[in-house]
Amino acid sequence: EPEVTQTPSHQVTQMGQEVILRCVPISNHLYFYWYRQILGQKVEFLVSFYNNEISEKSEIFDDQFSVERPDGSNFTLKIRSTKLEDSAMYFCAEGGNSGNTIYFGEGSWLTVV
Amino acid sequence: QKEVEQDPGPLSVPEGAIVSLNCTYSNSAFQYFMWYRQYSRKGPELLMYTYSSGNKEDGRFTAQVDKSSKYISLFIRDSQPSDSATYLCAMSVESGYSTLTFGKGTMLLVSP
Repeated sequence: EPEVTQTPSHQVTQMGQEVILRCVPISNHLYFYWYRQILGQKVEFLVSFYNNEISEKSEIFDDQFSVERPDGSNFTLKIRSTKLEDSAMYFCAEGGNSGNTIYFGEGSWLTVV
Repeated sequence: QKEVEQDPGPLSVPEGAIVSLNCTYSNSAFQYFMWYRQYSRKGPELLMYTYSSGNKEDGRFTAQVDKSSKYISLFIRDSQPSDSATYLCAMSVESGYSTLTFGKGTMLLVSP
């Protein structure tokens, strides 16, 4: 199974601060995603990214969120002004070439205090 | 009605038992079905991927899809303590890499 690397593994931030979560995907995949999982809850879709633009986003993905792939490799999720309810595990995922399905990274655990 | 339902467990079995994990769903448009394994505070790890109805076997794991009943299953034979984890079902409409809708997961505990 492909390895998707995410940083940081854990971040604690003050409410209202900006957070950037990073992902280093496998080189030949076409689709990139962010999902999140609030503790004890389902894994939820946030956004998908294809050909350097957003292809789909969920209701959760509001104006405080943004994604980009600034240097053609790293894939980032920015949360502009964090809220307590943004505390969750954020997973980067990718797919589209190998095995016709989606592979997840190990996650970035975000705690907003 | 929730889109994908899964009994959260925990399901406790002795080592060597056959385990049956299940999900039901309401959206008949789902065509792609996956099972992921998740250890605590880790990312989901893909176990099985199935398109439409039928069975698929991979080692000790068998995935079954019954679209007429909107019911999917994962069977684990000869369960091991290392199988102790949360098992997530996920499904999508358009392809194996379109948006996934997850169940909440079933926690499995396999005792030695």
